[in-house]
Amino acid sequence: DARVTQTPRHKVTEMGQEVTMRCQPILGHNTVFWYRQTMMQGLELLAYFRNRAPLDDSGMPKDRFSAEMPDATLATLKIQPSEPRDSAVYFCASGSRDRGYGYTFGSGTRLTVV
Amino acid sequence: RKEVEQDPGPFNVPEGATVAFNCTYSNSASQSFFWYRQDCRKEPKLLMSVYSSGNEDGRFTAQLNRASQYISLLIRDSKLSDSATYLCVVKEDGNNRLAFGKGNQVVVIP
Repeated sequence: DARVTQTPRHKVTEMGQEVTMRCQPILGHNTVFWYRQTMMQGLELLAYFRNRAPLDDSGMPKDRFSAEMPDATLATLKIQPSEPRDSAVYFCASGSRDRGYGYTFGSGTRLTVV
Repeated sequence: RKEVEQDPGPFNVPEGATVAFNCTYSNSASQSFFWYRQDCRKEPKLLMSVYSSGNEDGRFTAQLNRASQYISLLIRDSKLSDSATYLCVVKEDGNNRLAFGKGNQVVVIP
């Protein structure tokens, strides 16, 4: 089965440090999402791309978060500087219109900021 | 008001029983609807799409009520392996963005 690959799986970092999370979408999928999941808020959309162009990043704190797709095989989410409230699981998902929008999620990056 | 609302539960269900739960959505322009399943400490996985006429997939039945803006999921003959959180997902037409509910937690008890 094709998979969305996310790295790292777990990350523990100190407040103020930069964090970079990576995602390799499924080959052929042209839409990529970044979601954050916490117990309190559930799944929140941070940003999404179609054909590598950012379409919506309104859910993302702009002062510290940035999302990019340098090429079709890599999406990145950076937090600089990180804060304890950023602790969450960050999911990447990919999909395409041809596949009826059944988006596939990666295993997530579990981030803890201490 | 949240875009997608679900009663978190938990829904404790005896093995073999039937369980049903709903979610409501606020945006009447929403056009596509899904149920995702999420196991503890795992990623969400697509369970089924929800069609206007209602649809079944084995023991799972999904219904859509546009007039009242709610979606339902029914699980028949519950198995222990059905224990998970079921996420209601809504997508607006022309917009790829998926809005997730917080999920209905189902615990199937032997």
